[in-house]
Amino acid sequence: GENVEQHPSTLSVQEGDSAVIKCTYSDSASNYFPWYKQELGKRPQLIIDIRSNVGEKKDQRIAVTLNKTAKHFSLHITETQPEDSAVYFCAASKTQFYFGTGTSLTVIP
Amino acid sequence: DSGVTQTPKHLITATGQRVTLRCSPRSGDLSVYWYQQSLDQGLQFLIQYYNGEERAKGNILERFSAQQFPDLHSELNLSSLELGDSALYFCASSVGGWTNEKLFFGSGTQLSVL
Repeated sequence: GENVEQHPSTLSVQEGDSAVIKCTYSDSASNYFPWYKQELGKRPQLIIDIRSNVGEKKDQRIAVTLNKTAKHFSLHITETQPEDSAVYFCAASKTQFYFGTGTSLTVIP
Repeated sequence: DSGVTQTPKHLITATGQRVTLRCSPRSGDLSVYWYQQSLDQGLQFLIQYYNGEERAKGNILERFSAQQFPDLHSELNLSSLELGDSALYFCASSVGGWTNEKLFFGSGTQLSVL
């Protein structure tokens, strides 16, 4: 089956700096890559997603890039704010959703 | 609010007991997924239903079972509970059950087995 690895597991940045979270996947047939943000004790919320026919997608301060050849995709958050502090999960899907183990992001004011 | 409703929000029970978790998907969504999230763990896929039929199975224990009813709500039954079953259980729904669709999560049921 698919194997999704996510790095780093924890990330601290100063407010205003950028944050990058990377995921790799093993199954080249995976074709949909969502990112979820989970605040403490709350549900995962979809923040951005990308399909395999697209290399990059942006939504305000958030962007996702996909490299199908290398089988990796990344989440980029620019101008980070304290409210960006949360756990971020990547996922890759073909027949099921396979989630990464999460990155705990802390934005220091 | 994602539109996915889970009840109860919290459940405290003892080892050996049986509990039922309930999920109502977003209006119009035909597919329901169940996930388990243990402390400091990622999201472990348990099972997926589409329009009343089981579509995919993940790491679901034999002590656990689920079903989706004609009104599309779903129930996850956990029996012979063990301490290690304590976790946050999420339900998610999508429109058609294809895995390149957006997945929306409910607020979860926090299960504590004492």
